[in-house]
Amino acid sequence: GAVVSQHPSRVICKSGTSVKIECRSLDFQATTMFWYRQFPKKSLMLMATSNEGSKATYEQGVEKDKFLINHASLTLSTLTVTSAHPEDSSFYICSATRTDYNEQFFGPGTRLTVL
Amino acid sequence: AQSVSQHNHHVILSEAASLELGCNYSYGGTVNLFWYVQYPGQHLQLLLKYFSGDPLVKGIKGFEAEFIKSKFSFNLRKPSVQWSDTAEYFCAVNPDSWGKLQFGAGTQVVVTP
Repeated sequence: GAVVSQHPSRVICKSGTSVKIECRSLDFQATTMFWYRQFPKKSLMLMATSNEGSKATYEQGVEKDKFLINHASLTLSTLTVTSAHPEDSSFYICSATRTDYNEQFFGPGTRLTVL
Repeated sequence: AQSVSQHNHHVILSEAASLELGCNYSYGGTVNLFWYVQYPGQHLQLLLKYFSGDPLVKGIKGFEAEFIKSKFSFNLRKPSVQWSDTAEYFCAVNPDSWGKLQFGAGTQVVVTP
């Protein structure tokens, strides 16, 4: 149980376009989802916390107009990178948690490459 | 600033050797502590976690960790590693009762046959 999926697993796009990444909890209802960014040889950096039905809470330094997060249901959160630029190229990972289990379950990540 | 520090960025050892990875945090008060592993090409998986109780925590795949409150440490250990333990290991701290995690920089462990 507690499986989290992400789609797509990798995406290549042109500079200036927008890219949407989906995060789904497959077998449980996720009260909260988190979005992380992982740079090569670096740790995971929390970008934002997403609660179903409410606005996401962004970490300091993360542009909320750049990284749009929507948590439409208890099983789906989306991250949209708007007007992507090469510096947005990275590995984006989501995680999900539920109220009765104090643990985050991680998705496999999405590799974004902006040309 | 509050932080999570992992002492080694890169560790190379032979099969059957013992492994110990250091983790220190700077948060005060009650924290929840985690060790995650990321095998090549795979997603993060939980190795073990500490919330309260016995400070020696046993996890999956023969791993254990010891919480030493006075040292703000949560070191990961395995008595005898295998080639399949080659992975990146992340220490993480959850300073809230539940919620967002602060990760250490990670330690790349390479086990040679």
